[in-house]
Amino acid sequence: SQQGEEDPQALSIQEGENATMNCSYKTSINNLQWYRQNSGRGLVHLILIRSNEREKHSGRLRVTLDTSKKSSSLLITASRAADTASYFCATDAWGAQKLVFGQGTRLTINP
Amino acid sequence: EAGVAQSPRYKIIEKRQSVAFWCNPISGHATLYWYQQILGQGPKLLIQFQNNGVVDDSQLPKDRFSAERLKGVDSTLKIQPAKLEDSAVYLCASSGPSRGPGGYTFGSGTRLTVV
Repeated sequence: SQQGEEDPQALSIQEGENATMNCSYKTSINNLQWYRQNSGRGLVHLILIRSNEREKHSGRLRVTLDTSKKSSSLLITASRAADTASYFCATDAWGAQKLVFGQGTRLTINP
Repeated sequence: EAGVAQSPRYKIIEKRQSVAFWCNPISGHATLYWYQQILGQGPKLLIQFQNNGVVDDSQLPKDRFSAERLKGVDSTLKIQPAKLEDSAVYLCASSGPSRGPGGYTFGSGTRLTVV
């Protein structure tokens, strides 16, 4: 079963704007990860946030984690056309040693 | 370091035919995963191996899907007979020492089209 639920399912913005995607999950986690997938391509790991972390940055990416609400958000600042892709959150639960993915957000950046 | 290798890259078959996918994980990775990703959805875990033993196959449609990991290295996923709804990308991943940044390394996948 898919543990992560992502919102919105699709997002279309203008180049240069910020994009925010949200992820909710159901069980206790060890860490939460975000992946990007370009059409027809493989999964690219973006960032990992551990359960004891609240916020993490990597370049134009900012991830937050609220374990009390079982939710995470991914913010992409100053979006570029190359950011057009599907974005997935994936949870790594304690003891499970496996990733459970959400349904993803399809992000389109319009030039 | 070589990544997770999968073959073939693409496969088109008719319904009711059989098909097999192959995965070679990163050397030394004890855990291997097969995911199914239907167009527009997130990857769904089909089966997880630890060495050559099955850890989780709760979402594997066992009436038509089978997988094995002989000698705890390479793995093969088979579908017999295939249905139209099996059209998807099949991703293999592995984890272990020298893991990817997220702890898991994914292959490029096999895109299956059932017609």
